[in-house]
Amino acid sequence: SQQGEEDPQALSIQEGENATMNCSYKTSINNLQWYRQNSGRGLVHLILIRSNEREKHSGRLRVTLDTSKKSSSLLITASRAADTASYFCATGAGGTSYGKLTFGQGTILTVHP
Amino acid sequence: ETGVTQTPRHLVMGMTNKKSLKCEQHLGHNAMYWYKQSAKKPLELMFVYNFKEQTENNSVPSRFSPECPNSSHLFLHLHTLQPEDSALYLCASSQELGQINQPQHFGDGTRLSIL
Repeated sequence: SQQGEEDPQALSIQEGENATMNCSYKTSINNLQWYRQNSGRGLVHLILIRSNEREKHSGRLRVTLDTSKKSSSLLITASRAADTASYFCATGAGGTSYGKLTFGQGTILTVHP
Repeated sequence: ETGVTQTPRHLVMGMTNKKSLKCEQHLGHNAMYWYKQSAKKPLELMFVYNFKEQTENNSVPSRFSPECPNSSHLFLHLHTLQPEDSALYLCASSQELGQINQPQHFGDGTRLSIL
């Protein structure tokens, strides 16, 4: 069953603007991860936030996690044309599912120069 | 360079052909995964291997047959595929199944087209 759902499905912004993508999920998680996929390439891991963390930063990326609302957001600040890609959230469950991820459908981000 | 290499990058085959996809990882990981990525659908987990043992077959049709001879190599053998099997097939690896909070490392995929 689909776990993560990203919103919006597509986002178009100008270079220099901030981009915010949201992810909602249904069941309890151990961690939530964000990945980027450039056209014709595989997924690249961006950032992992544990279920007991509320916010995490990595360079121009800021991720928040609200386990009470079962949602997360990815903020890319000062976007660049090179940030154009699809972004996916993925949830990691516990128990015997440790290590396995369930992906959402993704947000297509277009950054115009 | 992600440390996960998939070959071929593109494959066109007829429905009666037999072909194989190959994945190799140089990260020293022990868990490997096959995913199917179709347009407008979430990534679908197909198979999971941990220390060469298959731990999950996500109701994948038997025309897809995985093989994991060692922790560094993963194959997907294809036989009598259908047009709806056309997709991007992604291989990924992680340290070890059963450990929490691990990222997965992906190859660039094989774009498969069934005629």
